[in-house]
Amino acid sequence: GAVVSQHPSWVICKSGTSVKIECRSLDFQATTMFWYRQFPKQSLMLMATSNEGSKATYEQGVEKDKFLINHASLTLSTLTVTSAHPEDSSFYICSAPGQGISPLHFGNGTRLTVT
Amino acid sequence: GNSVTQMEGPVTLSEEAFLTINCTYTATGYPSLFWYVQYPGEGLQLLLKATKADDKGSNKGFEATYRKETTSFHLEKGSVQVSDSAVYFCAALSGGSYIPTFGRGTSLIVHP
Repeated sequence: GAVVSQHPSWVICKSGTSVKIECRSLDFQATTMFWYRQFPKQSLMLMATSNEGSKATYEQGVEKDKFLINHASLTLSTLTVTSAHPEDSSFYICSAPGQGISPLHFGNGTRLTVT
Repeated sequence: GNSVTQMEGPVTLSEEAFLTINCTYTATGYPSLFWYVQYPGEGLQLLLKATKADDKGSNKGFEATYRKETTSFHLEKGSVQVSDSAVYFCAALSGGSYIPTFGRGTSLIVHP
């Protein structure tokens, strides 16, 4: 079935540095990808929609200058957390519209810890 | 837009106990309904789905029936295992969109 690969699975960085997270669709093309942030106690928040060849669409309240999204090709979207702070520590999950019965296929997530 | 409400967790059960996780939705029209499962440290995986009223989705011993009259899609399993410990998300998707609306998730903890 369709697979979405997310990398890295975990990263620790120092406050003030930037971190890039990659999301790749394997064996299928994704003109659109979605980035979620998962808070403690499980709730998922849609951060933005990544669009190949155009600007990302951010949800209300998400800082686009803080969370830079680039959809470089039909199989790759990246999320860069710029000037990271401890409050950016979270679990970030990407997804792509489904092939088959699932509306979305999810990556395995990236645990970001900012010290 | 759609909204999905799940029961608060965590749900803590002993192995072989019966599981119910409640899910209700509000939507215009008749959305497709889904249950996703998230194992520790991983992303979400589709567990089962139903696309119309009275449909029953089933997978890995889990079942959920699309109840239009009660706008519900409760997840059930007759005998849970320790390996079922995970977070379960109910979701609704209306036609014309490919972004489901997720509930807040319910953590299930199964003890041996």
